[in-house]
Amino acid sequence: QPVLTQPPSASASLGASVTLTCTLSSGYSNYKVDWYQQRPGKGPRFVMRVGTGGIVGSKGDGIPDRFSVLGSGLNRYLTIKNIQEEDESDYHCGADHGSGSNFSYVFGTGTKVTVL
Amino acid sequence: QVQLVQSGAEVKKPGASVKVSCKVSGYTLTELSMHWVRQAPGKGLEWMGGFDPEDGETIYAQKFQGRVTMTEDTSTDTAYMELSSLRSEDTAVYYCATISYTDAFDIWGQGTMVTVSS
Repeated sequence: QPVLTQPPSASASLGASVTLTCTLSSGYSNYKVDWYQQRPGKGPRFVMRVGTGGIVGSKGDGIPDRFSVLGSGLNRYLTIKNIQEEDESDYHCGADHGSGSNFSYVFGTGTKVTVL
Repeated sequence: QVQLVQSGAEVKKPGASVKVSCKVSGYTLTELSMHWVRQAPGKGLEWMGGFDPEDGETIYAQKFQGRVTMTEDTSTDTAYMELSSLRSEDTAVYYCATISYTDAFDIWGQGTMVTVSS
């Protein structure tokens, strides 16, 4: 199954943009990745799924247009434009692997985003 | 709109078992694929297992096999996760999460804190 690598932290000034990266381990370049937002003290919230062609399917409920995704090679990106205070959160990426009795799901370690 | 409401916080002693519930509203449980994810304090998310609708079987992460049991009561649209032989490392928030309108975990419960302490 893939390993997902995320930097531990990122920051951006209010109103600026930030791009988060989730890197798949070698050999998994065709995998889709799911992004989740977790505000302080709250549960995770689905943001959107991304493959090499960009967004796959629908955004999560209530996710603003300021959030977008791209995929290239082993990297899956989540960009937040015009970042707001409420975007200060941990962002987790995840990916499913296999099917049926061989299904599994793995998460990255998460990136903490600070709004300056 | 699907909503998942979980049972309240639990404190257990090492070696005991805990059973967490997750009640579905807005959909019936049979329309969903329910999974369980946990998060230890200050740590990342960890998938524990879930229901595979393709073959009607429950799949468990290798790490938890033999210690976790996930069940569903379709008469009350409630899913359960029971973890046995608890140890301090099992102290975590446990979430139910379901795949409903996408192929990802798009709806989450509010979480249940389980503390394992002597």
